[in-house]
Amino acid sequence: GAVVSQHPSWVICKSGTSVKIECRSLDFQATTMFWYRQFPKQSLMLMATSNEGSKATYEQGVEKDKFLINHASLTLSTLTVTSAHPEDSSFYICSARIDSQETQYFGPGTRLLVL
Amino acid sequence: AQSVTQPDIHITVSEGASLELRCNYSYGATPYLFWYVQSPGQGLQLLLKYFSGDTLVQGIKGFEAEFKRSQSSFNLRKPSVHWSDAAEYFCAVVRGDDKIIFGKGTRLHILP
Repeated sequence: GAVVSQHPSWVICKSGTSVKIECRSLDFQATTMFWYRQFPKQSLMLMATSNEGSKATYEQGVEKDKFLINHASLTLSTLTVTSAHPEDSSFYICSARIDSQETQYFGPGTRLLVL
Repeated sequence: AQSVTQPDIHITVSEGASLELRCNYSYGATPYLFWYVQSPGQGLQLLLKYFSGDTLVQGIKGFEAEFKRSQSSFNLRKPSVHWSDAAEYFCAVVRGDDKIIFGKGTRLHILP
């Protein structure tokens, strides 16, 4: 149980385009989902917390207009990188938390390469 | 503010040898602590967690961790490592707003 998927697993795009990444909890409902960014050989950095039915809360230094987050249902959150630039190239990982639990279950990640 | 420190960036052990990965946390109350493992290009897999109760926690893949409040530590151990254990290991703590913060990670290398 507690499986989280991400789609796509890999995406290559041209600079200036927008990219959408989906995060789904497959066998449980997740009121809260989290989006992380991981640079090569570094730790995960929390970007934002996504709550179903409300606006996402962003960590300090994360541009909310650049990283659009939508939590449309209890099993789906999306991250859209708008007007992507090469410096946005990274590994993006989502996680989902079962209500009333502290444990987060992580997706397999999406590698974004912006040319 | 809550924080997590993993003092060792890289650890190399021989296959079959014992392993201990260090983790120190900074938190005023009883922390919620986790160990996750990440294989190259993959997401994170939960190895074990500590919320309360028995301070020696058993996890998957033969791992265990011991919570020591006096030392603010939550070290991960395994009595005999396998080549497949080579990966990046992250210690994490839940901070005051219920969000997880991660240590910088320890990369484990296994010698044949």
